[in-house]
Amino acid sequence: EVQLVESGGGLVQPGGSLSVSCAASGFTFKNYWMSWVRQAPGKGLEWVAITKQDDSEKRYPESVRGRFTISRDNAKNSLYLHMRSLRAEDTAIYFCARVGESGSWHLDYWGQGALVTVSS
Amino acid sequence: DIVMTQSPTSLAVSLGERVTINCKSSQSVLYSSNNKDYLAWYQQKPGQPPKLLIYWASTRESGVPDRISGSGSGTDFTLTISSLQAEDVAVYYCQQFHTDITFGQGTRLEIK
Repeated sequence: EVQLVESGGGLVQPGGSLSVSCAASGFTFKNYWMSWVRQAPGKGLEWVAITKQDDSEKRYPESVRGRFTISRDNAKNSLYLHMRSLRAEDTAIYFCARVGESGSWHLDYWGQGALVTVSS
Repeated sequence: DIVMTQSPTSLAVSLGERVTINCKSSQSVLYSSNNKDYLAWYQQKPGQPPKLLIYWASTRESGVPDRISGSGSGTDFTLTISSLQAEDVAVYYCQQFHTDITFGQGTRLEIK
């Protein structure tokens, strides 16, 4: 059974940094692109980052580029998102998601999410 | 960026009735090289993560009931529920993956 479990969310002050992690199991982690998607309270979904199987290619939307860094450790079956210069508008649930196969960037499995709150 | 616009924003439909949700992209998400539309649909119930329903615009994910289907190509897409069931109450999102990833704003489906 595919499982994705996020951890590391919490409260951080504006301008601060925080990392969230995602532990993967039930599939061969190193064979899949992986992604982060966030959802602000009561709002829709926003894609945040994506990384290739070997971490050699990463992409971000303009809203987080230069502030957020996605990374992975295939030996530990883990995905990470390091966030810096955080703003109130970064407050959201951060979901880890597996990217589908066959060259398709649909997201076929999702974790339950980690809540990140940016507030003073 | 490719902007995805869903309509309606919300709708209420009677049990057993047909549901249609539309999604329009600001530019084509069809790749001519493989003739595939880079479009997916998700269902999100309260307190849960999104669940993949459809990808390549019309390919149903394993385990998704066949009353749920996707259609369309290029810039205009539709998610159809042929006969609404109580468990279909959720917010539905379209997503393009032709150029990076963007989501529509969501459509809230309720029972009338």
